[in-house]
Amino acid sequence: NAGVTQTPKFQVLKTGQSMTLQCAQDMNHNSMYWYRQDPGMGLRLIYYSASEGTTDKGEVPNGYNVSRLNKREFSLRLESAAPSQTSVYFCATPLNTGELFFGEGSRLTVL
Amino acid sequence: GQQLNQSPQSMFIQEGEDVSMNCTSSSIFNTWLWYKQDPGEGPVLLIALYKAGELTSNGRLTAQFGITRKDSFLNISASIPSDVGIYFCAGRYGQNFVFGPGTRLSVLP
Repeated sequence: NAGVTQTPKFQVLKTGQSMTLQCAQDMNHNSMYWYRQDPGMGLRLIYYSASEGTTDKGEVPNGYNVSRLNKREFSLRLESAAPSQTSVYFCATPLNTGELFFGEGSRLTVL
Repeated sequence: GQQLNQSPQSMFIQEGEDVSMNCTSSSIFNTWLWYKQDPGEGPVLLIALYKAGELTSNGRLTAQFGITRKDSFLNISASIPSDVGIYFCAGRYGQNFVFGPGTRLSVLP
């Protein structure tokens, strides 16, 4: 998905380890989102950033921190990973017409 | 948190058949969106609906924004193998998006 790039695409962690998921968009959009996707459930919002330097909690923020240091990048950090954080993580940004445009996802397994 | 109800959860159809799936909510939305997700990929937008009653087509896909603004449906005509995947609905109000759990579609040759 050109426009929203997520890294890494795959990661395996041990319980208690930390890591940062990176997201970058080249669309010059103000808003960026982090979602997690679990089997049988819809995408759930972790954090949202309306603009550079601002972030807001979503539906499931516990265990995560985010950073929006510039307009292009929005990172998601797990300080002490837990098995419950095994999931697929998606970064997204709204198009000018309002629809969300997603990255390809980062698949995280916590052992 | 708020969620949408999507039905059916999964369906198996023969190639060439038509497909219908829907999405309902207890809340009103300003926009309804339909996405398709292939294995290992992110959701890709299929159709966006912006006002109640709107009927929009994209090739073999047709979607409608319910009059009550609390539901939407997606139809796929003459299914083909590449239609396999998970279809998600999403409702938008302001900067907030709420997603359904998805309908998993399998197409048998």
